[in-house]
Amino acid sequence: AQSVTQLGSHVSVSEGALVLLRCNYSSSVPPYLFWYVQYPNQGLQLLLKYTSAATLVKGINGFEAEFKKSETSFHLTKPSAHMSDAAEYFCAVSDVNDKLIFGTGTRLQVFP
Amino acid sequence: EAGVAQSPRYKIIEKRQSVAFWCNPISGHATLYWYQQILGQGPKLLIQFQNNGVVDDSQLPKDRFSAERLKGVDSTLKIQPAKLEDSAVYLCASSLEGGVLEKLFFGSGTQLSVL
Repeated sequence: AQSVTQLGSHVSVSEGALVLLRCNYSSSVPPYLFWYVQYPNQGLQLLLKYTSAATLVKGINGFEAEFKKSETSFHLTKPSAHMSDAAEYFCAVSDVNDKLIFGTGTRLQVFP
Repeated sequence: EAGVAQSPRYKIIEKRQSVAFWCNPISGHATLYWYQQILGQGPKLLIQFQNNGVVDDSQLPKDRFSAERLKGVDSTLKIQPAKLEDSAVYLCASSLEGGVLEKLFFGSGTQLSVL
């Protein structure tokens, strides 16, 4: 079965610093991969998705993620953190039945 | 456009009681999902509807959970009787046609506490 592992349940950065949220997937076939963001008391929003086109995927709010097959990774990055980026971030993979399988999430804190 | 509406926002019940959650998807969205998000875990799909038919309910604990989507619009998710381990946020999501590559729009969820 497909799965994703998010390393680090909490990540803290200073405003203006690089954001790096890690996600590794397990899949025997090329997967579809997603990053979702959940702001406090809100539903999940799609940040970006990888569908086997370009390996570097650009999303909303300045985020991007790179698909690396050799490392089975799909890490999320943003060059400069903003206070408004504080939220919970979920990596997800689609399975053979076309369902989303979510990771356990990483809570990002941004300090001034 | 209006988003996915869910109610109530919070619910506290005692174990063995019953509870129901309501979801109104975005207008025109044929596919509706219910997810369970336990604290510290990612959302897990409980059931997926396409219009008013069930596409996937393989993860739904059918001995206590039930869901319906009458007329292919609003949906309700019911738990009877509730157990302590049902404490979670229940998220409703909708999409135009379904399929993992369709963009899902999530509601804010209903936070259930079972005491």
